[in-house]
Amino acid sequence: GPKVLQIPSHQIIDMGQMVTLNCDPVSNHLYFYWYKQILGQQMEFLVNFYNGKVMEKSKLFKDQFSVERPDGSYFTLKIQPTALEDSAVYFCASSLGAANTGQLYFGEGSKLTVL
Amino acid sequence: QQKVQQSPESLIVPEGAMTSLNCTFSDSASQYFAWYRQHSGKAPKALMSIFSNGEKEEGRFTIHLNKASLHFSLHIRDSQPSDSALYLCATGGNYKPTFGKGTSLVVHP
Repeated sequence: GPKVLQIPSHQIIDMGQMVTLNCDPVSNHLYFYWYKQILGQQMEFLVNFYNGKVMEKSKLFKDQFSVERPDGSYFTLKIQPTALEDSAVYFCASSLGAANTGQLYFGEGSKLTVL
Repeated sequence: QQKVQQSPESLIVPEGAMTSLNCTFSDSASQYFAWYRQHSGKAPKALMSIFSNGEKEEGRFTIHLNKASLHFSLHIRDSQPSDSALYLCATGGNYKPTFGKGTSLVVHP
């Protein structure tokens, strides 16, 4: 079935550095999402994105976070600068329509470790 | 803010058993109710979803929704070892599904 690819699968960086997590969504999908999962906790909504714009972001989406999808390429999550509490698995998802019209397709996650 | 809780946290059942997983939510305006399955180290994958009160069956899987009770459930008939995984429920509005913490299911042969 359709797949969402996330790169990298794992990244270790020092606190204060910048990191960019990349997501290659399903090709004809229009809605994109990032979720954050700290070990042992539930997956929490960060942000959604449609038509080149952020539609909604949660309180977890700090000022240091940004998302973009330049020219229909990767959907990216950038964190600058990183903090220790940013260590988590970040899941990207995409959907053809709004959530109530179709399922979300998830990637396998990017595990970020901030030292 | 939507609160989604799943029960039980973990479950071990023998092969062939009926398995029931539960999800409660707090926002009565939720429009979307879905179950996802996640094998270890893999992406969560949608199993099935429902949008109005009642029941929906797909193969061995049945989803029940009772909006008045703020509750929906997943039932797996004739559970198989391959069903062993983390099951996540999700609900919410159009653009921001909220996920539960998950129920870890083990089906032993």
